[in-house]
Amino acid sequence: TQLLEQSPQFLSIQEGENLTVYCNSSSVFSSLQWYRQEPGEGPVLLVTVVTGGEVKKLKRLTFQFGDARKDSSLHITAAQPGDTGLYLCAGALGGATNKLIFGTGTLLAVQP
Amino acid sequence: EADIYQTPRYLVIGTGKKITLECSQTMGHDKMYWYQQDPGMELHLIHYSYGVNSTEKGDLSSESTVSRIRTEHFPLTLESARPSHTSQYLCASSALAGVYNEQFFGPGTRLTVL
Repeated sequence: TQLLEQSPQFLSIQEGENLTVYCNSSSVFSSLQWYRQEPGEGPVLLVTVVTGGEVKKLKRLTFQFGDARKDSSLHITAAQPGDTGLYLCAGALGGATNKLIFGTGTLLAVQP
Repeated sequence: EADIYQTPRYLVIGTGKKITLECSQTMGHDKMYWYQQDPGMELHLIHYSYGVNSTEKGDLSSESTVSRIRTEHFPLTLESARPSHTSQYLCASSALAGVYNEQFFGPGTRLTVL
C-alpha cells in the first residue's frame, strides 16, 4: 500500500512567521502535486513538480521535489491569514493509470 | 467558463434512502473521479472513469455505484444510505492526455445520514 505521510498534521502560527510542510513516502513518483483546500470547498491545485531536485516558487510559497522523487516540501514565507487551509500533497504513480495518491494532509491556521 | 459542478452541496437524509450525487464538468476532460474525505483528512479514491461506459472501483471499498453515460456527467448513487456513509464526497476530472494527471475538483457534497 502506497502511503504519503505529511508532517506536521496541524500547525497554528502567527501572521508573518515562516513554516515548512513535509510530504514523505517510500514510493517513487513520476510527479508530485500540492493542493490547498479551504473549508467547504474542493482542493485547488497549487503546483506540480516533476524532476528530482526541482524547486518551484509561487510568490511566498516554495516547493521542492526530493532528488529521489520520494518526498517533497512546501515552505511558506511570512504567512498570512489567507494561507489558512488544508494542504495536501499528491503523488502520481505513473504507468497506464497514473493514479494519484493523496497525502494525509496538513491543517494550517494563520492567526492575524 | 470551464468548470466542474456538484449538486447538492449539502444533503441530510434518513437511513435507508436512495440518493444520487451529481457531478458535471465542462472542462472537456475524459477522466473523472469520486473521492471520499472526512473533515481535515486525506482523500480516498472510491471510483474512477477514463471515458464513456468505463468505470472502475478505487482503493477504498464503497457501497456506492457510478455510471458514465455521457462524457461530462459522472453521478454517484447509494441505494440505501447508512450513517457510516456520512462524509464529504468530492468529484474531480483530468485530461486523458495530461502527463501529470493534474486534477480539478468540484466544491463537494457534504452528506449526513441520520
